[in-house]
Amino acid sequence: EDQVTQSPEALRLQEGESSSLNCSYTVSGLRGLFWYRQDPGKGPEFLFTLYSAGEEKEKERLKATLTKKESFLHITAPKPEDSATYLCAVHPNAGGTSYGKLTFGQGTILTVHP
Amino acid sequence: DGGITQSPKYLFRKEGQNVTLSCEQNLNHDAMYWYRQDPGQGLRLIYYSQIVNDFQKGDIAEGYSVSREKKESFPLTVTSAQKNPTAFYLCASSTWTGGDQPQHFGDGTRLSIL
Repeated sequence: EDQVTQSPEALRLQEGESSSLNCSYTVSGLRGLFWYRQDPGKGPEFLFTLYSAGEEKEKERLKATLTKKESFLHITAPKPEDSATYLCAVHPNAGGTSYGKLTFGQGTILTVHP
Repeated sequence: DGGITQSPKYLFRKEGQNVTLSCEQNLNHDAMYWYRQDPGQGLRLIYYSQIVNDFQKGDIAEGYSVSREKKESFPLTVTSAQKNPTAFYLCASSTWTGGDQPQHFGDGTRLSIL
C-alpha cells in the first residue's frame, strides 16, 4: 500500500530562519511527487512536480528536492506570508485503476513569525 | 481566468437528506476528482473521472455518488447513507496523461450537519 508521511506536523520559524520540511514515501514505483501549499479555508495550490531522484525545482524562497525515498521542501529566509500548510502527494507508477490516484500526506503546518 | 469553481462554500445537511455539491471547471481538463479533507488527515479520494460518462470509485466512495454528463461538470451527492459527512470537500481537475500531471483544486465546500 502506498504511504506518505510528512514531518514535522507543525513548524514555527522566525522570519528569515531557513528550514526544511520532509516527505517520506513508500510507493510501487514513482510516477510523480507533488508539493502543494494550502491556506486556511482554501483549496491546495500547486507548487512543484518532481519525477526522478536527483531532480530539483525552485520557486522564489522554495526549493524542492527528491531522493528515492523522500522529498524535501527547503524554505530559505521565510516571510510571514509563507505561513500555510504544505502538502506532499505521490502518484505510483502503476497502471490500470491506479491512474490518477494520488496518495497525500497529512501536511506540515508552517508558521512564520515576524 | 481559467479555474475550478465549487459551490456553495458552506452547506448544511439535515438528517436523512441528500445534498449535492457543485464543481465546474473551464480549464478544458479531461480528468476530475473529489476529495474529502478532515482535520489532521491527508486528502482522501472519493471518486474520479477520466472522461465524460465514466467514473471510478476512490478509497472512500461509500455514501457518495457522482455523475459526469459534461466535461466541465462533476457534481458530488452526499447521500443519507454517509453517516459522518462533516468535512471539507475539494474538487480537482487535471489533464489526463496517466497521472503525471498536477491536479488543480477549487476552494472547497464545507459541509456540516444540522
